[in-house]
Amino acid sequence: EVQLLQSAGGVVQPGGSLRLSCAASGFTFSGFAMSWVRQAPGKGLEWVSTFSGNGGRTYYADSVKGRFTISRDDSKNTLYLQMNSLSVEDTAVYYCAKDLDYGLGSFFSDFWGQGTLVTVSS
Amino acid sequence: DIQMTQSPSSVSASVGDRVTITCRASQGISTWLSWYQQKPGKAPKLLISAAVTLYSGVPSRFSGSASGTDFTLTISSLQPEDSAIYYCQQANRFPLTFGGGTRVEIK
Repeated sequence: EVQLLQSAGGVVQPGGSLRLSCAASGFTFSGFAMSWVRQAPGKGLEWVSTFSGNGGRTYYADSVKGRFTISRDDSKNTLYLQMNSLSVEDTAVYYCAKDLDYGLGSFFSDFWGQGTLVTVSS
Repeated sequence: DIQMTQSPSSVSASVGDRVTITCRASQGISTWLSWYQQKPGKAPKLLISAAVTLYSGVPSRFSGSASGTDFTLTISSLQPEDSAIYYCQQANRFPLTFGGGTRVEIK
């Protein structure tokens, strides 16, 4: 059974940092692209970042480029999102998501984590 | 960036009704489109990939179609459990982009 278990979020001051993690099980983690998608309170879905499968490339939304870093440890079946220079606009529920297709990815997401609330507030 | 314009933003229909949601891409995306269903407080669920492919386990009352840059999600016979927000997403190129969502309510 595919499972994506996300770390707890929290409250961070503007300008602060936070690292999210997403522990995967039930599939060959290294072979699949993984993404982060966020949802601000009461708003729609916003793609944040993707790490393609098989040690491929990383991609970022312009809104987080240069501040967020996606990484993965295939030996630990874990995806990470390092978030620096956080602003109130980054307040959202963050979801990790698994790609539907093995390899570089189709960038459709078939399994999602439970979501982690990140609140940026002073 | 590719803009995804979803319509309507909300729809209210009765059980058994046919419901259609449209997503228009600002440029050609072939069939690189998926549809998701999201219920309050829950993560999105994949319904349709590649514009027309029903994801495993999704009821057959859901279907997708494509015509040029216009994509449609159809619920053939609305059920109470279909009350949710539906999103389209293009995967043709980065940045990946979602439509604004369509709220489906049961009358």
